[in-house]
Amino acid sequence: GQQLNQSPQSMFIQEGEDVSMNCTSSSIFNTWLWYKQDPGEGPVLLIALYKAGELTSNGRLTAQFGITRKDSFLNISASIPSDVGIYFCAGRNSGNTPLVFGKGTRLSVIA
Amino acid sequence: GAVVSQHPSRVICKSGTSVKIECRSLDFQATTMFWYRQFPKQSLMLMATSNEGSKATYEQGVEKDKFLINHASLTLSTLTVTSAHPEDSSFYICSARDRATGDQETQYFGPGTRLLVL
Repeated sequence: GQQLNQSPQSMFIQEGEDVSMNCTSSSIFNTWLWYKQDPGEGPVLLIALYKAGELTSNGRLTAQFGITRKDSFLNISASIPSDVGIYFCAGRNSGNTPLVFGKGTRLSVIA
Repeated sequence: GAVVSQHPSRVICKSGTSVKIECRSLDFQATTMFWYRQFPKQSLMLMATSNEGSKATYEQGVEKDKFLINHASLTLSTLTVTSAHPEDSSFYICSARDRATGDQETQYFGPGTRLLVL
């Protein structure tokens, strides 16, 4: 079945630093989604990508849909303490298939 | 963004009892909803896909008689954990697919339900 490799698994950064995480797929995706999950909460959608090469920003967050359609990255600029959480990438290769999730990147921000 | 609610947010029950969890899309219609299970420090594990007006599709290894899913309307899906046992204790999260935007569909998650079976 489809697999997503998400890296890094965890990150410890200083407040104010930029962060980058990525996901790669064993197959082509038509949709890439990035979510953030806080402890005890459901994932919250951050950015949705629908076209190869698409670059989309949401405040300090920027995500890109790789041109090969097998990868995506998420950047967070000037990190702040509330950026702490687990970030998941998710992809889908057709409208009727369930999302495939990465294993998450656990972000810790040191003030 | 779209809002998905779940009820209850947490439940404690005795072993052998059944627990029903509701998932509602509050401001959009969802022909498809999904049920996930998440263990501590793990990713989301898809349990089943819930389609409005038809039977749910269960992932391999998920007992359909154990986890009953009903999707009776475009805004409500329910998951019933029947004869719950301590190993069923977990964080259950639903999501709903918003197809109002055509091909650019996306999926929104509920806040989750923490189940503890004693």
